[in-house]
Amino acid sequence: GENVEQHPSTLSVQEGDSAVIKCTYSDSASNYFPWYKQELGKRPQLIIDIRSNVGEKKDQRIAVTLNKTAKHFSLHITETQPEDSAVYFCAAAFDNAGNMLTFGGGTRLMVKP
Amino acid sequence: DAGVIQSPRHEVTEMGQEVTLRCKLISGHNSLFWYRQTMMRGLELLIYFNNNVPIDDSGMPEDRFSAKMPNASFSTLKIQPSEPRDSAVYFCASSLFPLISSTDTQYFGPGTRLTVL
Repeated sequence: GENVEQHPSTLSVQEGDSAVIKCTYSDSASNYFPWYKQELGKRPQLIIDIRSNVGEKKDQRIAVTLNKTAKHFSLHITETQPEDSAVYFCAAAFDNAGNMLTFGGGTRLMVKP
Repeated sequence: DAGVIQSPRHEVTEMGQEVTLRCKLISGHNSLFWYRQTMMRGLELLIYFNNNVPIDDSGMPEDRFSAKMPNASFSTLKIQPSEPRDSAVYFCASSLFPLISSTDTQYFGPGTRLTVL
């Protein structure tokens, strides 16, 4: 089955700096890669996703890049703000696998004011 | 739409008692996922259903855990008997299958925080 590795497990940045979180996946058939943000005591919520026919996607300060050949994808947050502090999860899925997402282990991002 | 609804939000019980967690899917969704989250093990998929049919229950810890979908919009996760190591936050999530667009992704409920004493 699919295996998703996520790095780093914790990341501390100064407000205004950029943050990058990286994930690798094992199943070359995976074609959907969402990112979730989970604030303390809250549910995971989708912040951005990318499909395998696209190399990059941006939404304001957030971007995701995908390298299908190397089987890795990354989340980039620019101009970080204290409210970006949370745990971020990457995930991978293959459409025909019933929408089942395989999640990475999570990255705790701390943005210091 | 109210989103995925879970009840109860908090549950405290004693070891050996039966616990039932409930989940209502987003209207129109046909996939349902149960997850367990702990600090030690992260986010674990327990079981998922497509169109009321269990597809993969390999994540269910043991026979003490069971999940059902009595109808297309509702699911229960039962633990009998409960043990202290079952203490965790249990999330359910729903989605639309097949996954065609971003709006078909999994949406999580608020979770049930279970404490077994």
